[in-house]
Amino acid sequence: AQRVTQPEKLLSVFKGAPVELKCNYSYSGSPELFWYVQYSRQRLQLLLRHISRESIKGFTADLNKGETSFHLKKPFAQEEDSAMYYCALRHNNDMRFGAGTRLTVKP
Amino acid sequence: KAGVTQTPRYLIKTRGQQVTLSCSPISGHRSVSWYQQTPGQGLQFLFEYFSETQRNKGNFPGRFSGRQFSNSRSEMNVSTLELGDSALYLCASSLQTGRDTIYFGEGSWLTVV
Repeated sequence: AQRVTQPEKLLSVFKGAPVELKCNYSYSGSPELFWYVQYSRQRLQLLLRHISRESIKGFTADLNKGETSFHLKKPFAQEEDSAMYYCALRHNNDMRFGAGTRLTVKP
Repeated sequence: KAGVTQTPRYLIKTRGQQVTLSCSPISGHRSVSWYQQTPGQGLQFLFEYFSETQRNKGNFPGRFSGRQFSNSRSEMNVSTLELGDSALYLCASSLQTGRDTIYFGEGSWLTVV
């Protein structure tokens, strides 16, 4: 069965520092992975997906099939990056989410 | 164009009652999925509908059911409510295939007392 693990519930960094939100998955097939973000009082929204290999708001994520990871990275965190981040894996039309990591970027 | 719309936004029910939540997908989207979000369990997949047919179902008891209408609008129903059903219920829509981006609504906050 597919499972997504985000080992850190809380992550706090200072503005300008690099940030990495960890995501590991277990899945027997070829995974489709996503990062979703939820800013305060806003709806859950897609941040990026691995198949597009793009950088959104300075964030990137690389799928590492050997380590079954899809960590989210940003070299210089900004205060406006403070939010809840969810890693998700899609199998057919079943989206499985990790427990989420709350990122706080301190001034 | 309008996003995914969910009604009601907030509601309070008593144990044993039932509740129906409604979701209007983005215009043109034919796939609608439902999720339950709680502090303890996080986001959990409930079910997904496409063209009025349930395509996938998560690990929830039979008290949780849903349906989709010909205009792609969807409803989910929870019968015999339990305190543990208190949660944010999120609806999401996508165009059709498993490759499309999923867009979420703001959710319906259900409190069971």
